[in-house]
Amino acid sequence: SQQGEEDPQALSIQEGENATMNCSYKTSINNLQWYRQNSGRGLVHLILIRSNEREKHSGRLRVTLDTSKKSSSLLITASRAADTASYFCATDALDNNNDMRFGAGTRLTVKP
Amino acid sequence: EPEVTQTPSHQVTQMGQEVILRCVPISNHLYFYWYRQILGQKVEFLVSFYNNEISEKSEIFDDQFSVERPDGSNFTLKIRSTKLEDSAMYFCASSGGPTWGEKLFFGSGTQLSVL
Repeated sequence: SQQGEEDPQALSIQEGENATMNCSYKTSINNLQWYRQNSGRGLVHLILIRSNEREKHSGRLRVTLDTSKKSSSLLITASRAADTASYFCATDALDNNNDMRFGAGTRLTVKP
Repeated sequence: EPEVTQTPSHQVTQMGQEVILRCVPISNHLYFYWYRQILGQKVEFLVSFYNNEISEKSEIFDDQFSVERPDGSNFTLKIRSTKLEDSAMYFCASSGGPTWGEKLFFGSGTQLSVL
């Protein structure tokens, strides 16, 4: 079944550095979304990028989408300790009723 | 800001018992979902629900699982006879549409422990 796969599984950086997380998927999509999860909590939507968009910004977040490579990246600039969380990409797929499917996430640790 | 609420936050049950997990989606949303997450692992899709019926279900959502929207506000997940491997965090989500694949709003989850 369609789902995003994040890479790397874990990332540890210093405060102030940029963090880049990648997501790959298998089939055609309508949109791709990134979510954040603090430990033991629900997922919070960060940003949505549609299949006809290539790049989107929201505050310190920058998302790119390359449909030819079936991949997306999430860049967090000037990271803060409070950015420590797991980040998930989710994709709908044209052949599964457009339900969002999630990957295993990237665990980001930002050290102060 | 409106939010999805889930109760209880923790549920402990004996293997073979029935459990009902409850969710109150955001009031004007049309699409409802259950996901689960085993500790530290991926978020797995269970079922989606629209217009008072299941739209899609995953292979995890077998005959032991059922969903219901008994009134205009609640959305429940029932597990008829729990197994040890059902232990997980269960998340309810809703979305306003108007099409599938829009932003999901998640509840804080119910941690289910099957002993």
